[in-house]
Amino acid sequence: AQKVTQAQTEISVVEKEDVTLDCVYETRDTTYYLFWYKQPPSGELVFLIRRNSFDEQNEISGRYSWNFQKSTSSFNFTITASQVVDSAVYFCALSRGFKTIFGAGTRLFVKA
Amino acid sequence: GAGVSQSPSNKVTEKGKDVELRCDPISGHTALYWYRQSLGQGLEFLIYFQGNSAPDKSGLPSDRFSAERTGGSVSTLTIQRTQQEDSAVYLCASSPNPVAGRRSYEQYFGPGTRLTVT
Repeated sequence: AQKVTQAQTEISVVEKEDVTLDCVYETRDTTYYLFWYKQPPSGELVFLIRRNSFDEQNEISGRYSWNFQKSTSSFNFTITASQVVDSAVYFCALSRGFKTIFGAGTRLFVKA
Repeated sequence: GAGVSQSPSNKVTEKGKDVELRCDPISGHTALYWYRQSLGQGLEFLIYFQGNSAPDKSGLPSDRFSAERTGGSVSTLTIQRTQQEDSAVYLCASSPNPVAGRRSYEQYFGPGTRLTVT
């Protein structure tokens, strides 16, 4: 069975702090895809990144970076120098083919 | 271009009534998904359509829930005899042609329909 665990329910940081959102997944598949989505207060989920199971190279996009480690079944997301606009719920997701399993989400509060 | 649109944005209905929720996917996207998000919770998969293939209905919580997709585009999610536990935000997403066993694409979400059953 597939499962995605985001153990951090809520995180609160002060602007400019770095913050890491944890994601641990379970799957028996050898081919799978991992995603991060952002859901701002407006409510609409926005795709951030996709990784496939064969590509463990870490990725950086501006202040965002992702650390994929198959050995620990983790796909963590770090925001560097957080900003108030980063306040949102962040979802980690796992899929093989069409069916996607989402984690429960981590609510991030960034205070000015 | 236009994103995924959903209507209505809000729906308040009385227990026992039927409701229909509409989703217009991104033009050209062959896959369409429905999810349910209860207050403060994650996303619960409901149903998936891919092109003209039979939909995967494995996530529908009861036979009161049904969905159809006409012409490979617009989809309607119908909830019959609504119950208070059906209150949630119903999200629709679309993605370009993901095929099981092959490349899996990201999903583009609509703004959702907030359903309140009184």
